[in-house]
Amino acid sequence: ELKVEQNPLFLSMQEGKNYTIYCNYSTTSDRLYWYRQDPGKSLESLFVLLSNGAVKQEGRLMASLDTKARLSTLHITAAVHDLSATYFCAALTYTSGTYKYIFGTGTRLKVLA
Amino acid sequence: NAGVTQTPKFRVLKTGQSMTLLCAQDMNHEYMYWYRQDPGMGLRLIHYSVGEGTTAKGEVPDGYNVSRLKKQNFLLGLESAAPSQTSVYFCASSRLAGNTGELFFGEGSRLTVL
Repeated sequence: ELKVEQNPLFLSMQEGKNYTIYCNYSTTSDRLYWYRQDPGKSLESLFVLLSNGAVKQEGRLMASLDTKARLSTLHITAAVHDLSATYFCAALTYTSGTYKYIFGTGTRLKVLA
Repeated sequence: NAGVTQTPKFRVLKTGQSMTLLCAQDMNHEYMYWYRQDPGMGLRLIHYSVGEGTTAKGEVPDGYNVSRLKKQNFLLGLESAAPSQTSVYFCASSRLAGNTGELFFGEGSRLTVL
């Protein structure tokens, strides 16, 4: 059964610094998704990674996927306060003829001014 | 452009009461999912559906039932609510065939069981 682990669970960082959030998954998955959630809000799609070596960038965020290592990363460059949120990764699994999305526990990011 | 709509958004129940959460999507998606979100535990899959008339159990199905009588609607029922079911419930939908499989979420339903 697919398990997804994120680390760190909490991240407090200064504005202007760089950091990486890691998402490991336990069995084969060809698609990986990143979402952002603001407090009390729903989940907003950030990136869809569809194949090994995929890299997507939007502003100060860059996501990548290594299916051989079963690892996805979300890199934050020169953090700003507006990036404070909880970030989730989700891996897609196909079993018994159906697709399921399994989520990590999330990384709560706080960017300090 | 409604996307995924959940009702109600807030509900308070007493232990033993029953209720139904409604999820409606207008994107003609085949797949629909119910998740619960609890602090420190991410999103856990309760039940899901791969099409009209079909449902399947996820990671934490106990105490919940679902139905998908119409393609656009996915109902989550609690027959006898327990305090452990206090949570935020999210519905999501996706289309996978020939698509990225991006999940679209509703706004969430916050349920408190006293």
